[in-house]
Amino acid sequence: NAGVTQTPKFRVLKTGQSMTLLCAQDMNHEYMYWYRQDPGMGLRLIHYSVGEGTTAKGEVPDGYNVSRLKKQNFLLGLESAAPSQTSVYFCASSLVYHTQYFGPGTRLTVL
Amino acid sequence: GQQVMQIPQYQHVQEGEDFTTYCNSSTTLSNIQWYKQRPGGHPVFLIQLVKSGEVKKQKRLTFQFGEAKKNSSLHITATQTTDVGTYFCAGPYTGTASKLTFGTGTRLQVTL
Repeated sequence: NAGVTQTPKFRVLKTGQSMTLLCAQDMNHEYMYWYRQDPGMGLRLIHYSVGEGTTAKGEVPDGYNVSRLKKQNFLLGLESAAPSQTSVYFCASSLVYHTQYFGPGTRLTVL
Repeated sequence: GQQVMQIPQYQHVQEGEDFTTYCNSSTTLSNIQWYKQRPGGHPVFLIQLVKSGEVKKQKRLTFQFGEAKKNSSLHITATQTTDVGTYFCAGPYTGTASKLTFGTGTRLQVTL
């Protein structure tokens, strides 16, 4: 099993550009999450999903959109990137009782 | 809103010394989880505690859940360079089973 994978690993954007981050899991987990982690800080929840076709806002949803068309995939979109969105983005998934499995992360720089 | 704080933010120890990080929640938690993130890596689940006063051990790591289920601690005996990283505690959001609030993290540096 690959677990949780994220694409791409690194990306540099210019202000105003858009992009989509892809998260895929092969563990048949119902729940999936997108977090951002800024230097020296903890994990902040952006959006999450409790099942195929459902999404919900987390702590810091502004500037991001998500979609969960298939159970195994969770997409995070930035419509108009801003320098404040420079961060490391982690996807995670879980089955039950909250234990989360994280992907390797995407390092995004917005110039 | 629910807050989970950890102290210290950072600790630097010499190999062989002990280390403890403390986690405090503003609300009662149904369970507490601990994760470790190596430098440049992603968080990895270590353990979950569910019962009031519960103590669990994993080799040199000892985890405790407070009697009031609002605090927890992680103690490492005789640290090794492989213990380097950031340790996060996390607890479920109040009123929902599907989200976690992560603590602020404690970064551990171990030198020879």
